Amino acid sequence: KNQVEQSPQSLIILEGKNCTLQCNYTVSPFSNLRWYKQDTGRGPVSLTIMTFSENTKSNGRYTATLDADTKQSSLHITASQLSDSASYICVVSAPDYKLSFGAGTTVTVRA
Amino acid sequence: SAVISQKPSRDICQRGTSLTIQCQVDSQVTMMFWYRQQPGQSLTLIATANQGSEATYESGFVIDKFPISRPNLTFSTLTVSNMSPEDSSIYLCSVQGANTGELFFGEGSRLTVL
Repeated sequence: KNQVEQSPQSLIILEGKNCTLQCNYTVSPFSNLRWYKQDTGRGPVSLTIMTFSENTKSNGRYTATLDADTKQSSLHITASQLSDSASYICVVSAPDYKLSFGAGTTVTVRA
Repeated sequence: SAVISQKPSRDICQRGTSLTIQCQVDSQVTMMFWYRQQPGQSLTLIATANQGSEATYESGFVIDKFPISRPNLTFSTLTVSNMSPEDSSIYLCSVQGANTGELFFGEGSRLTVL
């Protein structure tokens, strides 16, 4: 069983709307949690990175939250744009630098 | 940040052949990582390429199938040997930032085996 579970697997939203992606993990102990954006045909690009002591981190219209007690993270996209269409991957790092990847959530933004 | 160039970006290969993927980084790094990303699945670490020593392979991956070279601190190659359709995947090269530990990825090499 994967130690990082993401939901939903995919979603479609209208341009301008908001959406929230979920990431639940069982990695313990953990060092940090990262969200990556992967455009079709491209490599993943880092959006946010949070340590266990951080609750929220923003990068433009992307806001990530972390609840280390419940082992949950979310990525909120505000006022979505067509360019937000991509796969969003949650990555959890253990203290030994071993990384666990979620399968990703595919977001499609429609005009 | 690190700029990583991979080639080929994509290829279509015949069963039983081998393909070598190249990864070039714009700065010297100690470790380079090779990942596989199968459709709809998580990224899976294949191996860690260390300069001056043999690569370290993860469980389920072996050197005979995925030989790796690391001739210097900015370059690595991954070969997918004796390919089968199950090897159809995206292969990604990655390095870790020295200060933040952030992972930087290449654009990926999309391999289709017929």
